[in-house]
Formats: sequence, C-alpha cells, structure tokens
Amino acid sequence: NAGVTQTPKFQVLKTGQSMTLQCAQDMNHEYMSWYRQDPGMGLRLIHYSVGAGITDQGEVPNGYNVSRSTTEDFPLRLLSAAPSQTSVYFCASSYSQHGWGETEAFFGQGTRLTVV
Amino acid sequence: SQKIEQNSEALNIQEGKTATLTCNYTNYSPAYLQWYRQDPGRGPVFLLLIRENEKEKRKERLKVTFDTTLKQSLFHITASQPADSATYLCALEEQAGTALIFGKGTTLSVSS
Repeated sequence: NAGVTQTPKFQVLKTGQSMTLQCAQDMNHEYMSWYRQDPGMGLRLIHYSVGAGITDQGEVPNGYNVSRSTTEDFPLRLLSAAPSQTSVYFCASSYSQHGWGETEAFFGQGTRLTVV
Repeated sequence: SQKIEQNSEALNIQEGKTATLTCNYTNYSPAYLQWYRQDPGRGPVFLLLIRENEKEKRKERLKVTFDTTLKQSLFHITASQPADSATYLCALEEQAGTALIFGKGTTLSVSS
C-alpha cells in the first residue's frame, strides 16, 4: 500500500513550457485535491475532485488544468509555465464520502517545481 | 469567503512545557476541524479531527478543543519534546461540500 504517490519529486521548467504533475493513490479514495505551498502563504487549494469525471476549482486555479478519468489518478497540468508557478505542489486524497472534513486527508511527498 | 488564522507564525518553548496553538476561522462554521503536522520537505500528516459537537479530543499528549461560538480551536501539546518541533496546520472545509483549506501554520520549536 503506497498511499499517495507524486511524480516527479523535482522539476525545472522554462517559461512557457507545459508539463503534467502526476498523482496516484492506491487506497480507493474518491476525494482528491491539489495544493501549492509557498513561503508565507501556506497551502492553497488549486483544484479538487469528488470522484471520476468530477472536478472543481479551488482558490488559485488559473494556469492549471485537471481531469479525473480514474479513481486512482488525478494529474495536474501546467499549460504554459510562469515563474509565479514556482512552488511546492502537494496532492492529497481522502476516504470521505459525505464531506471533506469528516475523515483525514493523506498527502503525497510533494513536487518541487522551479520555473525559470 | 472563509478565512483561517493561526495565531502566530512561530512559537518557541522549553522542553517539558505545554504548547498551545490557536486556530480561528471567520465565516462558515464547519462540522469538523482537523489538525496536521508538517516537517520540512514533507507533506502534512494528519493528527486529530474534532467534530462540532465535541468540546475536546485527546490523543496521547495532544489535546484539541473546538468552540463554535468563538469560532476557534486550540491545539495543546503537553510535556513537549524537541521531536515535537514542526509546523502545525489547522484545516476545515471552506464551505459545506468543498475541499479542505488550511491555515498558514504555526512553527513550533521546542528547545532542550
């Protein structure tokens, strides 16, 4: 049982490049979400999903796309990377079926992204 | 929109003392409130969850209280140890049915 797995762990992109951050969980969790963490800003919600085929925007969705074709995977796509997207990205999943707050969230180890 | 405020960015205490961290929220009163620990370079790890109808929850040296009237949760670590040094985050639903949002965290340093 690997939990939440994020790849890659580190990435350097040039401005304007696109890439996909991968997130996979093997706990059969319906709820998954993406956060970015910046110094002094805390964790900010980018996108989230309550099941395959269902996604919604969080606080800072601009510049990011998501899709949820399977229960296990929730990739985050950067369409055209900008230096402002330099951050640490965390994926999380939860067993919740009736609300995000009712059970714990499990986090991946993070992807450290630098855009130059 | 919902805002979460954690009382201070940093808290320094001596080993053996009790650390008390505060989490305040501004609007929607959630049915649950959660606390996480985050170590440098790692993802947050769940510690405790408290429901709105629970006044207090304990787990070993950890205690959480939840006051929906004050819109506040307190997180206590008793008999603190240097190994408790980390950033502690509170989290709740921004509104019913939306994903968890987090406070900016309080970084606790326990000196021996």
